[in-house]
Amino acid sequence: GDSVTQMEGPVTLSEEAFLTINCTYTATGYPSLFWYVQYPGEGLQLLLKATKADDKGSNKGFEATYRKETTSFHLEKGSVQVSDSAVYFCALSGGSQGNLIFGKGTKLSVKP
Amino acid sequence: SAVISQKPSRDICQRGTSLTIQCQVDSQVTMMFWYRQQPGQSLTLIATANQGSEATYESGFVIDKFPISRPNLTFSTLTVSNMSPEDSSIYLCSVPTGLGTQYFGPGTRLLVL
Repeated sequence: GDSVTQMEGPVTLSEEAFLTINCTYTATGYPSLFWYVQYPGEGLQLLLKATKADDKGSNKGFEATYRKETTSFHLEKGSVQVSDSAVYFCALSGGSQGNLIFGKGTKLSVKP
Repeated sequence: SAVISQKPSRDICQRGTSLTIQCQVDSQVTMMFWYRQQPGQSLTLIATANQGSEATYESGFVIDKFPISRPNLTFSTLTVSNMSPEDSSIYLCSVPTGLGTQYFGPGTRLLVL
């Protein structure tokens, strides 16, 4: 079945550092790809999405490009802030019931 | 976007008891999802709740343990029955909004002692 693999965390960075969180997927067909973020004590929020190959999703300085040839959707940000500390989930639209399939999440801690 | 609320936001329960979680959406939606997020883990789909029909459960989840109601197009409940400490999780409802995007409620944090 479809699946998502994310880099293991936790990731600890200093403020203004460059961030990459790797995400690769396995899917039949052409799913939409998503990054969700979960801030401490809160629910999931959609961060960005891409619906077809070569699309780039972006929001709040974060970017991810849908790479069909490498089945990847890596999340990047050029300069992280303390407020970016959260758990980041990569997901695809491929569930048998129309649900999302999630990676295990990557916890990011940004130190001042 | 959809605005989704859940009640309770958190609870601490004794083993053997049951808890009903409510999910309210600010618009009418055909489909609602219930997920579980165990500590340090990803989200796992429990079931899909469609108004007017029985919920559809994922492998590993059964109606006797997680009964779901869907009385109208804006509301659903999930009951966690006969709880054990292994049921300690965050339970989230979500609604699809097109192109695969889903919006999530804030979650219900459950601790079973």
